[in-house]
Amino acid sequence: EAEVAQSPRYKITEKSQAVAFWCDPISGHATLYWYRQILGQGPELLVQFQDESVVDDSQLPKDRFSAERLKGVDSTLKIQPAELGDSAMYLCASSSVGAGANVLTFGAGSRLTVL
Amino acid sequence: AQSVTQLGSHVSVSEGALVLLRCNYSSSVPPYLFWYVQYPNQGLQLLLKYTSAATLVKGINGFEAEFKKSETSFHLTKPSAHMSDAAEYFCAVTHSGNTPLVFGKGTRLSVIA
Repeated sequence: EAEVAQSPRYKITEKSQAVAFWCDPISGHATLYWYRQILGQGPELLVQFQDESVVDDSQLPKDRFSAERLKGVDSTLKIQPAELGDSAMYLCASSSVGAGANVLTFGAGSRLTVL
Repeated sequence: AQSVTQLGSHVSVSEGALVLLRCNYSSSVPPYLFWYVQYPNQGLQLLLKYTSAATLVKGINGFEAEFKKSETSFHLTKPSAHMSDAAEYFCAVTHSGNTPLVFGKGTRLSVIA
């Protein structure tokens, strides 16, 4: 079964450091999402890509967060500098277009701890 | 704007008992509704989805949900709980393809032997 790959699974960093997360969606999925999930909460959208273009980044804290999907395949989410409040699970999801467009397949997530 | 409200952050049931997890939605247009399950330190896995076809939707692992427009609800049920059902469950809404899902805060299900 096709999966969404994410790395690293776990990351511990000190505040003010830079951190990056990588996501490889299911092959052929044009839409890619990054969600942030704070412990005990539901996932909240950070950014949505359609191929290499950003569709929605209205909730992305752009002073410290950046996201790219240069070739419309894999994607990187970066935080610089990290703050204590950034501790969370960062989830990547992908979906196809057409009839399956709103069925998201999630990766296992990257858990960030900022000390 | 769309939203979902999950009533009860924690539900505890005995093994073999009925599971009922509640979800109410708010949407100004016909919604698409989803239930996802999350095991500890894992991503979310789709249980079932409602996309304007049959109002009673059957999913994986014996779960089902019924869309009730008059009550703006999409509650998740399972007739008999198993220990392996212990997890976090999330209800989500969207209104069309390619628009992001909006998730509820989740309900943690505990199953007691």
